[in-house]
Amino acid sequence: GAVVSQHPSWVICKSGTSVKIECRSLDFQATTMFWYRQFPKQSLMLMATSNEGSKATYEQGVEKDKFLINHASLTLSTLTVTSAHPEDSSFYICSAVGPLPPYEQYFGPGTRLTVT
Amino acid sequence: DAKTTQPPSMDCAEGRAANLPCNHSTISGNEYVYWYRQIHSQGPQYIIHGLKNNETNEMASLIITEDRKSSTLILPHATLRDTAVYYCIVRVPRYGGSQGNLIFGKGTKLSVKP
Repeated sequence: GAVVSQHPSWVICKSGTSVKIECRSLDFQATTMFWYRQFPKQSLMLMATSNEGSKATYEQGVEKDKFLINHASLTLSTLTVTSAHPEDSSFYICSAVGPLPPYEQYFGPGTRLTVT
Repeated sequence: DAKTTQPPSMDCAEGRAANLPCNHSTISGNEYVYWYRQIHSQGPQYIIHGLKNNETNEMASLIITEDRKSSTLILPHATLRDTAVYYCIVRVPRYGGSQGNLIFGKGTKLSVKP
């Protein structure tokens, strides 16, 4: 089946710094990718929709200037957490939409971000 | 997209069949039932989907009632590695834009015990 990778799998950074997370579709092209965030013992919450060649669409309450999304190619989307704070510590997961109906979503393995 | 209701948790003995129910009484005619699971600290994994006919693949079987108001995911021989949170999601397949995203509820935490 389709494979989506994320890098890094985990990262620790200091408060005030920025962190970039990459999401790649390895064997298919994805014009649409999604970024989710998951806090401990909670379900996944959609942060934003990443569209190749255009601006990302952010969910209500998600700061677009803090969470920068760039979908530069059909196989790569990046999420940059700028000026990270401890409350940004979370599990970040991306997904890519398959090109054919029923448009299954293929998820990456997730990135664990810890801000100290 | 229609709302789903799942039990918060279930236990299953290793080697036995795990039957996970899902209620989706407000499902509309063009909405599919999707099942995903999330093993601890991993990204969700697609399991199976269906519209109205029962479906089977190498991972599981999906039984949808005739009125389509509920469904059951069946793992025929559960193993310890099947311990995970299972999500039942109802949606119309859409490509692109925010309409294509999945809305995750709380799911069912399945614990497979030796």
